[in-house]
Amino acid sequence: DSGVTQTPKHLITATGQRVTLRCSPRSGDLSVYWYQQSLDQGLQFLIQYYNGEERAKGNILERFSAQQFPDLHSELNLSSLELGDSALYFCASSEGAARQETQYFGPGTRLLVL
Amino acid sequence: DAKTTQPTSMDCAEGRAANLPCNHSTISGNEYVYWYRQIHSQGPQYIIHGLKNNETNEMASLIITEDRKSSTLILPHATLRDTAVYYCIAWAENTGNQFYFGTGTSLTVIP
Repeated sequence: DSGVTQTPKHLITATGQRVTLRCSPRSGDLSVYWYQQSLDQGLQFLIQYYNGEERAKGNILERFSAQQFPDLHSELNLSSLELGDSALYFCASSEGAARQETQYFGPGTRLLVL
Repeated sequence: DAKTTQPTSMDCAEGRAANLPCNHSTISGNEYVYWYRQIHSQGPQYIIHGLKNNETNEMASLIITEDRKSSTLILPHATLRDTAVYYCIAWAENTGNQFYFGTGTSLTVIP
């Protein structure tokens, strides 16, 4: 158990809909990272937040957005969903924002868009 | 992007040492090498990381060559529960702040 929690574990929705994925970091960690893992793309970094502020951006679509709240939990919002958005979404956390921080991953949310 | 090269797949007999190689020729001088593994579709699990010297923890050992262009992860006594995809992660100058996982090595431990 990494100490990172993610909800929900599974999510099934329809194209065009909007969903919110939630992540709670390990106690004391200030950085939260979001990753997407689809069958044909592997693990792709989406975005990082540090202490409420966006810190780094990866291959995140404009239809996706994220935020980190004062209690440090984070939410990833996916809108106008397409079939290709079906994937595993992982959240990770680390103590700080340094480039070589060890990241601890949650169990993931499996999203299926029908 | 940072590039690491790993074998696509490997087999290892249960109870034997599993040696997983990784090439990271573009690694910067002060960048760590990280290893993670992912069992089935679970979240990636941190294994070990190192800079120059060999490292050992309760899960594995990490051997880094003197020129730091390659490393080997060693699982000393592989068990069936070690069957997973193993990712070697190294940064280069232009990779930003995020992990680049690559395709990893699918290790199968055989009874």
